[in-house]
Amino acid sequence: GAGVSQTPSNKVTEKGKYVELRCDPISGHTALYWYRQSLGQGPEFLIYFQGTGAADDSGLPNDRFFAVRPEGSVSTLKIQRTERGDSAVYLCASSLWLAGIEAGELFFGEGSRLTVL
Amino acid sequence: GESVGLHLPTLSVQEGDNSIINCAYSNSASDYFIWYKQESGKGPQFIIDIRSNMDKRQGQRVTVLLNKTVKHLSLQIAATQPGDSAVYFCAESGGSYIPTFGRGTSLIVHP
Repeated sequence: GAGVSQTPSNKVTEKGKYVELRCDPISGHTALYWYRQSLGQGPEFLIYFQGTGAADDSGLPNDRFFAVRPEGSVSTLKIQRTERGDSAVYLCASSLWLAGIEAGELFFGEGSRLTVL
Repeated sequence: GESVGLHLPTLSVQEGDNSIINCAYSNSASDYFIWYKQESGKGPQFIIDIRSNMDKRQGQRVTVLLNKTVKHLSLQIAATQPGDSAVYFCAESGGSYIPTFGRGTSLIVHP
């Protein structure tokens, strides 16, 4: 597709379960971002990939959160032992990043809404 | 359904009026600023950006003003339309290339 695709669009799980959220960025975009958005708040940065490597994971709240991007395209955000406080919309964005220039326009997916019961 | 507009500062305008949405940023090292629009149930959508070496930039019906002295950013929307109703976020970034988002303002346009 032409845009950033995120699956699932909705995920309901029970406290303590493991969850994976997938992001398929725009083809050719080297930079990929994960953000988390709680109700009434702006997106909160989690992790940023440049190619296959996590260039900045300073936003991950704790070691229950992990993300991978093994081939430099699709990324998976993994949450272990989910807690009710993890409930939020998880947004993925990609951009065409050129060395020495700001990321410029980030293209966001529609998000994956996670509800932890 | 739920809306990301709940509990946010809200600006209500009549269709055809001009809208001004304000944003204060905190990091004096930020040198790149972006405005995003987010409709209910969707991801943020880029509207316009501005670099710190500018104080004004215009797009189609939108103008962004940057005042670095007081660390203030504004988005002006001319002839506001019902389709402009959404939550608007300003974001800032510096050398980290990672945009940091503000809390957002909900714009409601009445026909």
